[in-house]
Amino acid sequence: DTEVTQTPKHLVMGMTNKKSLKCEQHMGHRAMYWYKQKAKKPPELMFVYSYEKLSINESVPSRFSPECPNSSLLNLHLHALQPEDSALYLCASSQGRRGDTGELFFGEGSRLTVL
Amino acid sequence: GNSVTQMEGPVTLSEEAFLTINCTYTATGYPSLFWYVQYPGEGLQLLLKATKADDKGSNKGFEATYRKETTSFHLEKGSVQVSDSAVYFCALSNNNNDMRFGAGTRLTVKP
Repeated sequence: DTEVTQTPKHLVMGMTNKKSLKCEQHMGHRAMYWYKQKAKKPPELMFVYSYEKLSINESVPSRFSPECPNSSLLNLHLHALQPEDSALYLCASSQGRRGDTGELFFGEGSRLTVL
Repeated sequence: GNSVTQMEGPVTLSEEAFLTINCTYTATGYPSLFWYVQYPGEGLQLLLKATKADDKGSNKGFEATYRKETTSFHLEKGSVQVSDSAVYFCALSNNNNDMRFGAGTRLTVKP
């Protein structure tokens, strides 16, 4: 199983809603990532979890709240978002172990629209 | 810090033409280098990778060689197909859980 699975594929929410994006991998990877991708732009790193601990937060606004319940799952909780937060949110994983090349395995993404 | 610079395009080619997408990098230490491809409406897929100097990554007719002396990792394909139309991202990682992507190059191949 070499898949990273993201749900939902599409999400439309209002600025006062609370929603969550979910990501799952069963490759035994110990690092998991959230990236944000705007149209015609490269992915921008948001958060990294390494061994279930938050290791990188790229100064992301607090209306985005990540959670890593276990080594296979990664959530992104969304609250009070702005229309400019509309984007494709990509989850990725990597082996995350010493000597790893750092290769990322990406999910298909969750396309978020904030009205 | 680490960074990747790639030609932004867009690039438009006819089927069976030769493709080159240039990529250069700045990094400390000995990074691994990658090319990812993104088809419309999808996530990123690894196309090929190289983990040390002079390594050549190859997949589906695409090739790239890790050139430390010129800090480059140019992507090439001898004969492109319509199905190769996508956005291509050059990337590097120092295995510190911090992969850096280039701006992406949109390739369109016309029949």
